[in-house]
Amino acid sequence: AQSVTQLGSHVSVSEGALVLLRCNYSSSVPPYLFWYVQYPNQGLQLLLKYTTGATLVKGINGFEAEFKKSETSFHLTKPSAHMSDAAEYFCAVRAGGTSYGKLTFGQGTILTVHP
Amino acid sequence: EAGVAQSPRYKIIEKRQSVAFWCNPISGHATLYWYQQILGQGPKLLIQFQNNGVVDDSQLPKDRFSAERLKGVDSTLKIQPAKLEDSAVYLCAIGNNEKLFFGSGTQLSVL
Repeated sequence: AQSVTQLGSHVSVSEGALVLLRCNYSSSVPPYLFWYVQYPNQGLQLLLKYTTGATLVKGINGFEAEFKKSETSFHLTKPSAHMSDAAEYFCAVRAGGTSYGKLTFGQGTILTVHP
Repeated sequence: EAGVAQSPRYKIIEKRQSVAFWCNPISGHATLYWYQQILGQGPKLLIQFQNNGVVDDSQLPKDRFSAERLKGVDSTLKIQPAKLEDSAVYLCAIGNNEKLFFGSGTQLSVL
């Protein structure tokens, strides 16, 4: 079975500051890992994904995440926050070999960006 | 790019009533998913369709929830009878090569 833990249900940063959203996973098989973002009144959108290969993954809007197997982590970062980054972010895991839509999501982290 | 339309956007019902949600993929995809997102939690997969057939409904409370997909395109999710704990956002998603496209969801409040 797979599970995801997102550390911190709310994160607040100033505009221009580093964004760090934490995600730890548990999986009995090599995981596929994802970050999705949900803006108010919109559907979830894929930010980035790790399946195989390079462990540092770059996504849209300047976000990136690094898969660290030894730490079972997949933290999301962005060097400089923008007001438009305010949203809720979800980390998700899928077991390799299962249907690509069978995701297990974390509980989400709400990012607030202050001027 | 793919997209998903869902209706209604909001629904308020009393417990023990019935309710139905609709999902209309804007572009054709073989695989369709329904997720339930309770306030303060991440989405949880309820059911997966491949064309018209159910692939996985292991987390669907089948005593009250049902779903179907007509002609491998549109889908409906029904709850009968609803319970208070069914209050949530119901999300429909279609898949394409490790990327899911989600609709905006239907927010259900059961009073």
